Parts: sequence; C-alpha cells; structure tokens
Amino acid sequence: DADVTQTPRNRITKTGKRIMLECSQTKGHDRMYWYRQDPGLGLRLIYYSFDVKDINKGEISDGYSVSRQAQAKFSLSLESAIPNQTALYFCATSDLTSGSVDTQYFGPGTRLTVL
Amino acid sequence: AQSVTQLDSHVSVSEGTPVLLRCNYSSSYSPSLFWYVQHPNKGLQLLLKYTSAATLVKGINGFEAEFKKSETSFHLTKPSAHMSDAAEYFCVVISSGTYKYIFGTGTRLKVLA
Repeated sequence: DADVTQTPRNRITKTGKRIMLECSQTKGHDRMYWYRQDPGLGLRLIYYSFDVKDINKGEISDGYSVSRQAQAKFSLSLESAIPNQTALYFCATSDLTSGSVDTQYFGPGTRLTVL
Repeated sequence: AQSVTQLDSHVSVSEGTPVLLRCNYSSSYSPSLFWYVQHPNKGLQLLLKYTSAATLVKGINGFEAEFKKSETSFHLTKPSAHMSDAAEYFCVVISSGTYKYIFGTGTRLKVLA
C-alpha cells in the first residue's frame, strides 16, 4: 500500500462549488503539506502543518483552507472553486528528526478541473 | 532568500547517451539540495539529496549529482539514458534548519529510441 494517499485522484467541478481534497499517510510523520502544480511553475506551497494543532499558510493560501483531523490526515478545501484553481494538487509528508534534513514524501496527486 | 533555476525546460537525448540536467541555486545559508522525478500521472519520487556531506551524491536508477559551491550548481547526470527515464525532473533547495522547499520550474526529459 502507498504511504501517502490522496482522494479523489481526479475531480471535475463547477465554479462556485465547495471541494475537499483528502490526504492520508501511514508513515507516522508529523509534518504535512499541500502544494499545487501548474505547468511551467513547479510546485507552490499552499498550507503546511507541523502537528495537529499547528496550521500555517504557505505562499498561495488565498481561496483555500485546510483541516488537520489527525496526525495521519490533512484535508484541503476550496470554499468556492474558480477556474484558475484548476491544477494538480499534491500532498506531502516529512519527519524532521535530529540531525537529518527535512525530506518530503509525496502522494500521487489529485487533478482538479474547475469549469 | 533561496531560489533555484533549472536552466533547461526541455532536454532530449538518445537512448544510451549521457543525461545532463542543470540546476543553479541561490542560498544565503548552507543549503540542502534535492532532485525529484515525476513520471506521467505519478507523484514526485526522491532521486537523491545533498546534505553537506559528500559533494558527489549517488541516487536511484543510476543518477548522480555533484554539489559545486563555487559555481552554485547541483547538476543531475546519468551516464546512459534509458527510455524509462523520460519524465519531469525538479531541483529543490531547502535552507539548513528550515522546512520550506523551493522548487525549480522543472525540466522535461525526453528519451529518443
């Protein structure tokens, strides 16, 4: 089984709809992240969470919200989807242990299309 | 501030020939650097990482990268390309003691038969 899973893998929705993307991990990591990928722009950080009670905005958080329901679950919501939120969304996890570098592990991605 | 520049958005090589994907970085502090690969319809997979130990880093699938501080570069190489290497490759920098990944814009590698 994959260590980081995302549901759904593909979603088509309409402008103005509320959408939730879910991420689950079995790696036991404390840190979780949401990114979006757009062609030619690489990945950009939307939100991140270092533990269940810690939620932080990334560089492009406007129009998004998140919920950390448990150590293993981190959900991304689009309250009112708009077409320029059409993108590939990735969840990632990491576990910064003493003396190591924060290495992130990525889920398979969710392709979201907003019409 | 940290940044990475991937110098080529597309690279094409013939199967069996060497691969060179170029990455330059900018960092005020001692950086850690990563290369990730993204195959079509897949997530990102870690190829290798540099964390201030050996400057020549070996990764999976025969890839390696050399950290050159004087040139602020971390280029990815492979002696002989395979068809399965066709994918998009991302260079990432992270500053020591922080969490934040800074991604390059990616290089799409095409391998010709």
